[in-house]
Amino acid sequence: GESVGLHLPTLSVQEGDNSIINCAYSNSASDYFIWYKQESGKGPQFIIDIRSNMDKRQGQRVTVLLNKTVKHLSLQIAATQPGDSAVYFCADRFQGAQKLVFGQGTRLTINP
Amino acid sequence: SQTIHQWPATLVQPVGSPLSLECTVEGTSNPNLYWYRQAAGRGLQLLFYSVGIGQISSEVPQNLSASRPQDRQFILSSKKLLLSDSGFYLCAWSVRREGGYTFGSGTRLTVV
Repeated sequence: GESVGLHLPTLSVQEGDNSIINCAYSNSASDYFIWYKQESGKGPQFIIDIRSNMDKRQGQRVTVLLNKTVKHLSLQIAATQPGDSAVYFCADRFQGAQKLVFGQGTRLTINP
Repeated sequence: SQTIHQWPATLVQPVGSPLSLECTVEGTSNPNLYWYRQAAGRGLQLLFYSVGIGQISSEVPQNLSASRPQDRQFILSSKKLLLSDSGFYLCAWSVRREGGYTFGSGTRLTVV
């Protein structure tokens, strides 16, 4: 479920390293999953999505992994750059629902 | 292509004053529309969503209301603002039961 009142957890990564941001979801009937990136003062932007009939999907420098057995979703960012600094949200939708359920978000900071 | 417009970008309002935030979508028909609020350093809180003209679902009891007078217009209102209404308000749209959301650029509301 959503934890909107909590401070965002933070992940710090060295520039050039790979980043892995994790997310757990609770509804085993969820069939659609998505990652957003939100830069300071802006609206969230789509990064990548995946449907439940897939385990992995790759984009440009990003990979989403879905483990339905343990209801876990991860976003991998290769060769992290300063421009990757942002808050990352995962979200899922269970089959037939009108709305997404967002995770609490993770703040990614890049160390030079 | 589809675009979403949200305005104003920033707003400073005194306690007790009314509020009207507007969101419009172009390039699509029958979208689902959403209003979210985000406190500083926090996650996304769904306030309202709409699956059609005049159809509003409220997610949390609060000092706000929403209306959808036209297919691609979504309005967030308050008769009397409270200090606790301060935050970053985001509008979003989606195809019904499909895919993710596209977010607007947000409105930073400060109630003083």
